[in-house]
Amino acid sequence: NAGVTQTPKFRILKIGQSMTLQCTQDMNHNYMYWYRQDPGMGLKLIYYSVGAGITDKGEVPNGYNVSRSTTEDFPLRLELAAPSQTSVYFCASSYEGQVRTEAFFGQGTRLTVV
Amino acid sequence: AQKITQTQPGMFVQEKEAVTLDCTYDTSDPSYGLFWYKQPSSGEMIFLIYQGSYDQQNATEGRYSLNFQKARKSANLVISASQLGDSAMYFCAMRASGSARQLTFGSGTQLTVLP
Repeated sequence: NAGVTQTPKFRILKIGQSMTLQCTQDMNHNYMYWYRQDPGMGLKLIYYSVGAGITDKGEVPNGYNVSRSTTEDFPLRLELAAPSQTSVYFCASSYEGQVRTEAFFGQGTRLTVV
Repeated sequence: AQKITQTQPGMFVQEKEAVTLDCTYDTSDPSYGLFWYKQPSSGEMIFLIYQGSYDQQNATEGRYSLNFQKARKSANLVISASQLGDSAMYFCAMRASGSARQLTFGSGTQLTVLP
């Protein structure tokens, strides 16, 4: 059982380039999340999805886009990379959004924008 | 809006001793859940323990226990008999019923276990 899988694990982008961070889960979870973690900081929510076709903004959505065409996949798109987007990105999923439901995390993607 | 505060950026503990990591929270929702996650240097997020706002007893999971004081809005993590492998970043997080879709994190505490 793979859980939550993120690719790539590392990436260096030049300013203005675009890329997609991939996230897939095989637990049939309906809730999925994207977080970013800046050095020495906690996780901030970028976008989340409560099911296929439904997405919503989190705390820090600017500069990002998401889509959710299937239950399994929740890619995060950076259109015009900026140095402020240098961070570690985590994808997470949970079965549903009740208060006692834990979130399962991917291994993270370390992104550097130069 | 919900908020998690962890006021200890770094903590040190001697191996085999107990340590308490502080977490305070703020929410107006009567129903909420509190989580602790461990992030070792390898970077993955590992779920440790959960406490519900209506749970009558403090949560325990092996060497981890949660000192939940609802009136003070605190949910401190207690690690007993610390091991070198406990050295990691620890995050407190909350999910409230009014925004059950979101898991809000604190800034974390870096724990170092000394031999």
